[in-house]
Order: sequence, then C-alpha cells, then structure tokens
Amino acid sequence: AQTIHQWPVAEIKAVGSPLSLGCTIKGKSSPNLYWYWQATGGTLQQLFYSITVGQVESVVQLNLSASRPKDDQFILSTEKLLLSHSGFYLCAWSTGTGDYEQYFGPGTRLTVL
Amino acid sequence: AQSVTQPDARVTVSEGASLQLRCKYSYSATPYLFWYVQYPRQGLQLLLKYYSGDPVVQGVNGFEAEFSKSNSSFHLRKASVHWSDSAVYFCAVSKTSGGNYKPTFGKGTSLVVHP
Repeated sequence: AQTIHQWPVAEIKAVGSPLSLGCTIKGKSSPNLYWYWQATGGTLQQLFYSITVGQVESVVQLNLSASRPKDDQFILSTEKLLLSHSGFYLCAWSTGTGDYEQYFGPGTRLTVL
Repeated sequence: AQSVTQPDARVTVSEGASLQLRCKYSYSATPYLFWYVQYPRQGLQLLLKYYSGDPVVQGVNGFEAEFSKSNSSFHLRKASVHWSDSAVYFCAVSKTSGGNYKPTFGKGTSLVVHP
C-alpha cells in the first residue's frame, strides 16, 4: 500500500526566516506529485506539480519554490517567509499520465509571525 | 477552462437525516469528477470518483454521487448521516484528455451534523 508522509507536522516561523517542508511517498514508483496551499476558510490553491524527478512546474507565484530531488520526495521551500505564507500545506500524489484522483498527505500547519 | 461551483458554503442537518451536497461543473466535454472529504486538521481523502459508465457511483461510508451531463452536476448524497460525517467536502473536476495536472477544486461545503 502507498503511504504519504509530510514533515514537519507544524511550524511556527518568523517573517523573513527560511522554510523547508517535505513530502515522501512510499510504495509508488514515479508518481505525479503536487503541492497545495489551503488558507483558513478552506479554498485549495495548487502551487506546484511534478511528473518526474528534477522537473517541477509552478502553477502560481507565491515567493515559494519546489524541488523533486528523488522519485519519492517533494520539497517546498522559501528563503524568506511572508505573513501571507501562513496556512495549511498539503502534498498529494496521483498516477497515470492524466488528471486522475489524488491522494493527499496529512498536511503541515504553518504559522508565520 | 474547467470550473467547479459548490453553491452551499455550509449545510446543517440532524443526525439520521438524508443529505445532498451540490456540485456544478463547467467543462466542454465529460470530465473526471471527484468528491473529497477533509476532517479537521487533516488532509483530503477521496470519497468517490466518476470516470464513465453508470452515472451513480458508490463511495465509502455510504456516500454516493450522481453524474448528470444535462445538468452539469455531480451531487453527493447520503441516506442517513452520522455526527462523524461533520467535515468539509470538496468537489473536483479534471480533464479527460490533454490533462494539465491541474484539477479544479470547488471552495468546499462545510457539513455540520447535529446529534
């Protein structure tokens, strides 16, 4: 069975500090990977997706970057946090060459002060 | 471009009552359709999906949804809700060809079940 793990579970960071969030998928080779941001109130915003190692596509510009250093790992980062980065970050994976169902991780709660 | 509308931001029902959560989509062809549920402080979980065939699809925990091409809808139903069904429900749509890896999610419907 496939499992998806996100770390850390929660972070409290200062404005202007760096950030790195991680996501690992086990039990699935060559998944499509996604990062989402969810604001308070629930609307989901897709940030990045990746269909292969080393290749990441940006969907929106929020002063964030993403990388896929390994087949099963997806990293979200920024060198300088903004207050607007606060929220819930979700990693997801899907299979196939199209837009099939996605499977989400447990999320990381980020609070920027 | 595809879009999804969930017209009800919040729905309140009593335990044991039936439920319908509405979802309308906009897409030029028949899309892939999904319902996800999000419990507090958790990620989204897939409830059910529609790709083709029988317009009524069954999901987990007694949920079902009905696809209507004429109405461009994919409403979620449950015959008898339980207090544990309280959560936020998201409808989503994806292209069936030339996928751009960007499914479109609705804004979600918060379901509150009173005991």
